[in-house]
Amino acid sequence: EVQLVESGGGLVQPGRSMKLSCAASGFTFNNYDMAWVCQAPKKGLEWVATISYDGSSTYYRDSVKGRFTISRDNAKSTLYLQMDSLRSEDTATYYCARQGPQLGYFDYWGQGVMVTVSS
Amino acid sequence: DIQMTQSPTSLAASVGESVTITCLASEDIYGSLVWYQQKPGKSPQLLIYGATILEDGIPSRFSGSGSDTQYSLKINSLQPEDFASYYCQNGLSTPFTFGSGTKLEIK
Repeated sequence: EVQLVESGGGLVQPGRSMKLSCAASGFTFNNYDMAWVCQAPKKGLEWVATISYDGSSTYYRDSVKGRFTISRDNAKSTLYLQMDSLRSEDTATYYCARQGPQLGYFDYWGQGVMVTVSS
Repeated sequence: DIQMTQSPTSLAASVGESVTITCLASEDIYGSLVWYQQKPGKSPQLLIYGATILEDGIPSRFSGSGSDTQYSLKINSLQPEDFASYYCQNGLSTPFTFGSGTKLEIK
């Protein structure tokens, strides 16, 4: 059974940093691209970033470029999102998601972790 | 960026009825259209990818159609568990953009 379990969320002050983790199990982690998708309270879904199966390529939405870094440790089957210079508009639930092969869809999602940026 | 315009924003229907949700892409996405269902407090669930391909385990009352820039999700014979929010997504290229969502409520 595929499982994605996020951790690391919470309350953080504007301008500070936070690192999210996503522990994957039930599939061969290093065969899949992985992504982070967020959802602000009562709002819709927004793709944040994607990393290729081997970590060689990364992609970001414009609003997080230069502030967020997606990475992975295939030996630990773990995905990360380092979030720096956080802003109030980054407040959201962050989901780790497995990206389907060849096409840009997300076939498995974690339960999500809440990040609140507030003073 | 490819913009995804989803309609309607909300929809009320009764159990047993059929409904259709539409999604318009700002440019041709060559069939790379994805649909998700999300229930309150839960993670999104993949329903359909490649515009028409039903994900394993999804009931056949869900179907997707469309091409180029226009796509739709049809749900036949609504069941109580289908009342949720639905999102379309551009799966062609990054940034992977989502529609604003359709909330399907019980009439």
